[in-house]
Amino acid sequence: DNVLTQSPGTLSLSLGERASLSCRASQSVSSSYLAWYRQKPGQPPRLLIYGTSNRATGVADRISGSGSGTEFTLTINGLEPEDFAVYYCQQSKSSPYTFGQGTKVEMK
Amino acid sequence: QVQLHQSGPGLVKPSETLSLNCNVSGDSVRNYYWNWIRQPPGQRLEWIGYTVYGGSDNYNPSFKSRVSISVDTSKNQFSLKLSSVTAADTAVYYCARSPTVLLRHFDFWGQGTLVTVSS
Repeated sequence: DNVLTQSPGTLSLSLGERASLSCRASQSVSSSYLAWYRQKPGQPPRLLIYGTSNRATGVADRISGSGSGTEFTLTINGLEPEDFAVYYCQQSKSSPYTFGQGTKVEMK
Repeated sequence: QVQLHQSGPGLVKPSETLSLNCNVSGDSVRNYYWNWIRQPPGQRLEWIGYTVYGGSDNYNPSFKSRVSISVDTSKNQFSLKLSSVTAADTAVYYCARSPTVLLRHFDFWGQGTLVTVSS
């Protein structure tokens, strides 16, 4: 399986700051097959980014994705209250599709 | 707007079969790829598998021969069956859509169902 490792585990930031989340894959992932999700307590994950850098419908342009190969990054500029949540990366280059263990963005 | 609504029991006995349904509104189950994903308490999300109308299913080998996902066009829904469950199968189960075979992310999700395996 392609294991995805996210870092850091927890990010403590203030409103308005910039968040940078990392996702490292154990095997190369084509840029078409890397996605990011946000999950809040008691809710299903919400798709933010697909194909490494494409924003899903309705996602603010202060959220962006980048990367290639085995290293990918989700960046959130100007943190707003709704951004404090857990974020997961996911690959669908190879089956079984896998998720990272998550990064929690919490308010400092 | 596509909406997915899950139904099924929240408690299943060990060794029995877990069965969940996902009703799709706003589009036809004849289109797209339909997935089940679960999240055990305190663990990462785990993809179980997908089905596609008129095509081949694809399952996570971790579930071996225990899993079956199928589409019911008459009800516009798809279903998950997971047999021989144990306590390790306790999780929140989600249904989700993938747009195409080449766009395999999950763009619409059900609300989630907590399934507890216990006698």
